[in-house]
Amino acid sequence: EVRLMESGGGLVKPGGSLTLSCVASGFTFSSYGLTWVRQAPGKGLEWVSFIASGASYINYADSVRGRFTISRDDAKNSLYLQMNSLRADDTSVYYCMTRPSTGTYSGHWGRGTLVTVSS
Amino acid sequence: NFMLTQPHSVSESPGRTVSISCTRSSGRIDSNYVQWYQQRPGSAPTTLISEFNHRPSGVPDRFSGSIDGSSNSASLTISRLRAEDEADYYCQSYDINNHWVFGGGTRLTVL
Repeated sequence: EVRLMESGGGLVKPGGSLTLSCVASGFTFSSYGLTWVRQAPGKGLEWVSFIASGASYINYADSVRGRFTISRDDAKNSLYLQMNSLRADDTSVYYCMTRPSTGTYSGHWGRGTLVTVSS
Repeated sequence: NFMLTQPHSVSESPGRTVSISCTRSSGRIDSNYVQWYQQRPGSAPTTLISEFNHRPSGVPDRFSGSIDGSSNSASLTISRLRAEDEADYYCQSYDINNHWVFGGGTRLTVL
């Protein structure tokens, strides 16, 4: 069974930092591109960042570029999102997912972790 | 960049068929893959359709995806509607910079 489990969310003050983790199991983690998607309270889905297998390609939404850093540790089956200079509008549930394709384990989502940026 | 526009809400009765549209504002709808996601209240999203019309394992064949070049839109069709289909549905594609673009979401109400 494919599992993606996010952690690291919490309450942080504006300007602060937080690192999210996503631990995966049930598939060959190193073979898959991975994505962070967020959802502000009561709002729609917003793409945050993508990292290809082998970290060969990385991309960020304009709203987070320069403040967030995505990384992966294939030995630990883990995906990370380091978030700096956090703002109130970063308040969201953050989901990790495997990149959607026709692959067997593509398009799987975690349950999300809530990040609240408030003073 | 382009936008993906979805109806804010749709409703239909159980057992019927409903389609949700996703219209691309510029550029061809078939130039980048389109995905569809379902999000039930209080739950994480799940992937219903990838790469226009691929249904991942475990997704019922009541769900299907298609594109229409004449309207420059993608559609998610749900047949034999069930109460459990009541959810928010999102389309998603990619722009020229490989950024993900999401539609605003459609709330499906099963009457």
